Amino acid sequence: KNQVEQSPQSLIILEGKNCTLQCNYTVSPFSNLRWYKQDTGRGPVSLTIMTFSENTKSNGRYTATLDADTKQSSLHITASQLSDSASYICVVSLTGGGNKLTFGTGTQLKVEL
Amino acid sequence: DAGVIQSPRHEVTEMGQEVTLRCKPISGHNSLFWYRQTMMRGLELLIYFNNNVPIDDSGMPEDRFSAKMPNASFSTLKIQPSEPRDSAVYFCACRAQWGNEQFFGPGTRLTVL
Repeated sequence: KNQVEQSPQSLIILEGKNCTLQCNYTVSPFSNLRWYKQDTGRGPVSLTIMTFSENTKSNGRYTATLDADTKQSSLHITASQLSDSASYICVVSLTGGGNKLTFGTGTQLKVEL
Repeated sequence: DAGVIQSPRHEVTEMGQEVTLRCKPISGHNSLFWYRQTMMRGLELLIYFNNNVPIDDSGMPEDRFSAKMPNASFSTLKIQPSEPRDSAVYFCACRAQWGNEQFFGPGTRLTVL
């Protein structure tokens, strides 16, 4: 069964600190991997999207990495801000099934003063 | 563009009542998706349309759920009769024909008492 697992489930960090969120997937054949940010009460918003040939992609203070061999991805947040408090969802797309996405259950991040 | 518009934003109803959720996608985006999000299961695809035609409704949980897309600018998701276990946030998303990105609406939070 195609699955996407994320860790940790939740995380609390102090403002200004860095953090790394993990995503392991068993989706095959793999097409691309996305990280979404979902603020409370809002819909998910795309942060990065990577194909199997890409190892890293950055979007401001967000940097995603991908190891297609081990089927692992990480999202690194640098110099966290209060506005980074949100749920971060890892999403994997099947080859040829671009419209069908497999979602992880997300990591709930809280940034505190 | 206002993005994806969903209504209502919140709906509270009693078990057995009919519920209709509405979505207006981004103009020109020809794929439309309905998702359900719960704490336990995360985001799940219910159904998606391409050029107003339902392509895959394998995620629709029961016959109580139905979705229509009468034209390119409007879609509905109907639950009849509703049950307490249908309580969730329902998201509509859309994608442009040659794009890789799905854009999510703000969601409708449904509570069935």
